[in-house]
Amino acid sequence: RKEVEQDPGPFNVPEGATVAFNCTYSNSASQSFFWYRQDCRKEPKLLMSVYSSGNEDGRFTAQLNRASQYISLLIRDSKLSDSATYLCVVIVSGGYNKLIFGAGTRLAVHP
Amino acid sequence: NAGVMQNPRHLVRRRGQEARLRCSPMKGHSHVYWYRQLPEEGLKFMVYLQKENIIDESGMPKERFSAEFPKEGPSILRIQQVVRGDSAAYFCASSPSRDNEQFFGPGTRLTVL
Repeated sequence: RKEVEQDPGPFNVPEGATVAFNCTYSNSASQSFFWYRQDCRKEPKLLMSVYSSGNEDGRFTAQLNRASQYISLLIRDSKLSDSATYLCVVIVSGGYNKLIFGAGTRLAVHP
Repeated sequence: NAGVMQNPRHLVRRRGQEARLRCSPMKGHSHVYWYRQLPEEGLKFMVYLQKENIIDESGMPKERFSAEFPKEGPSILRIQQVVRGDSAAYFCASSPSRDNEQFFGPGTRLTVL
């Protein structure tokens, strides 16, 4: 079983749609959680951290359920520029930040 | 403050040759991580280094791969006797401390013919 599993995608949605991505992680010792965005053939960039209380950044909302070991990302009012691959990332406690990436979910927003 | 720099950005090698990938961390960052991304897959941790020390190399293949981060100069990921399966994007990330955010470089795309 992979340490971090994501929806396989791709998600093809029209502009203005709301889209949700899911992610599960297997290691209960995971302590930090993130969503990264990766554009085609570019490096991943931090989109947002994920907290148990849930957090929002503009059109993006992230949720964490530690009991279910489940993370989600909601994008409202999708823009063409949101087209990218979204990577779910966890850090397992260990004294330093070894990032464990999911394989990513591809999003394509069309006019 | 320049970001993380990697070079070369693209590297083509024939089977059996050596590949050297360089990573210059952001100014003031003494922690470097290397990740590999195979086609259509997520990034996989390879190695974590602090200046002159390898802290965790659990994700790096035991043979043919080595990494260093000398006191002066960039971090180097070295792959000896490359094989086609080594073709991937190699990203490095740097951080000012062991538990701080990592900033990624643009990656080196290695193609083995």
